[in-house]
Amino acid sequence: EVQLVQSGAEVKKPGESLKISCKGSGYSFTSYWIAWVRQMPGKGLEWMGIIYPGDSDTKYSPSFQGQVTISADKSISTAYLQWNSLKASDTAMYYCARLVSRSGPLDYWGQGTLVTVSS
Amino acid sequence: DIQLTQSPSFLSASVGDRVTITCRASQGISSYLAWYQQKPGKAPELLISAASTLQSGVPSRFSGSGSGTEFTLTISSLQPEDFATYYCQQLNSYPPGRTFGQGTKVEIK
Repeated sequence: EVQLVQSGAEVKKPGESLKISCKGSGYSFTSYWIAWVRQMPGKGLEWMGIIYPGDSDTKYSPSFQGQVTISADKSISTAYLQWNSLKASDTAMYYCARLVSRSGPLDYWGQGTLVTVSS
Repeated sequence: DIQLTQSPSFLSASVGDRVTITCRASQGISSYLAWYQQKPGKAPELLISAASTLQSGVPSRFSGSGSGTEFTLTISSLQPEDFATYYCQQLNSYPPGRTFGQGTKVEIK
């Protein structure tokens, strides 16, 4: 069974750093792209970027380039989303999801990680 | 960037109703479109890929159609479990630009 299991909810202060994770199982983690998607409170889905764990090739949406870092550790089948300096506007639910193929849809999703940034 | 516009943004319907949601792309995307369903507090789920291919396990009352710039998601007979928010996503752009529509919330009348 394909599963993506994300790390737990986080509460941080502005300016702090954070790294959240997404662990894949039940499939060849290195053979599928992983995407990160943001959903701000009460809002829609936003495509942040993708990574290919096999070689760590990474593509960012222009809106998120330079704001976050996407990485992966294929030895433990885990992808990451990282911030160096959080802002209140980063408060959102963050989902990881698997791409069927580089031109395909998102067929499996993690349960989401809620990040709250507040002073 | 390719923009997607869904209509309506909000829809109130009754159990048994036929429901149609439209997704319009700012430029042609062939059949590179997916539909997702999101229930409150849950992650989205893939319903349809390639504009009209129903995912395994998705009830046959869901269907998708269209190509180019206009697409539709139809629920032939709305069931209580279908009350949710639906999103389209274009898959035509180079991966960084895989935009979603703004969503259509389907609520009980």
